[in-house]
Amino acid sequence: DTEVTQTPKHLVMGMTNKKSLKCEQHMGHRAMYWYKQKAKKPPELMFVYSYEKLSINESVPSRFSPECPNSSLLNLHLHALQPEDSALYLCASSQGSPGTPRQSGANVLTFGAGSRLTVL
Amino acid sequence: GQQVMQIPQYQHVQEGEDFTTYCNSSTTLSNIQWYKQRPGGHPVFLIQLVKSGEVKKQKRLTFQFGEAKKNSSLHITATQTTDVGTYFCAGRRTGGFKTIFGAGTRLFVKA
Repeated sequence: DTEVTQTPKHLVMGMTNKKSLKCEQHMGHRAMYWYKQKAKKPPELMFVYSYEKLSINESVPSRFSPECPNSSLLNLHLHALQPEDSALYLCASSQGSPGTPRQSGANVLTFGAGSRLTVL
Repeated sequence: GQQVMQIPQYQHVQEGEDFTTYCNSSTTLSNIQWYKQRPGGHPVFLIQLVKSGEVKKQKRLTFQFGEAKKNSSLHITATQTTDVGTYFCAGRRTGGFKTIFGAGTRLFVKA
């Protein structure tokens, strides 16, 4: 299995709602990532989990709360979002942690199909 | 902080023409990766370059990593309509832990 699976594919929520995005991989990858992508822009790193521990938080607002229940699963809990948070949220995984030696392919990112979020 | 610039922002070509996108970093990179994102899709890994001056080929695609490890290019020979999409370079600076994406180049191919 060489896929990263994300659910839901589409999500519409109000500013007072609480929702979650889910991500799953069964490649034995040790690092998992959340990226945010606005239209016609590159993916923007939000969080990195390495060996199930949060290793990078790119100063993301607390209305986004990541969770890594185990090495295969990654969640992103959403609460009190703003309309400008509407975007494509991409989950990715890599074989090694971000600090893996450069020569290996261990930090190559495998992306999921994304969850397209609309905040009304 | 580390910046990765990518040009052009977009390019329109006639099918059969060649295409090149360029990536430049403000700092020396330990490696550079290239991804392709089809319209409505997600980024898909194409290749990783690690060594100074490295050149790799995948069919009609040629990837280069500069001698100073600060720049890279992707060249497509004889474009096809299936090449349509956005091509991103992504680099990690030497000693760094984060992969930073360039702004991407959107390729449009007219049949």
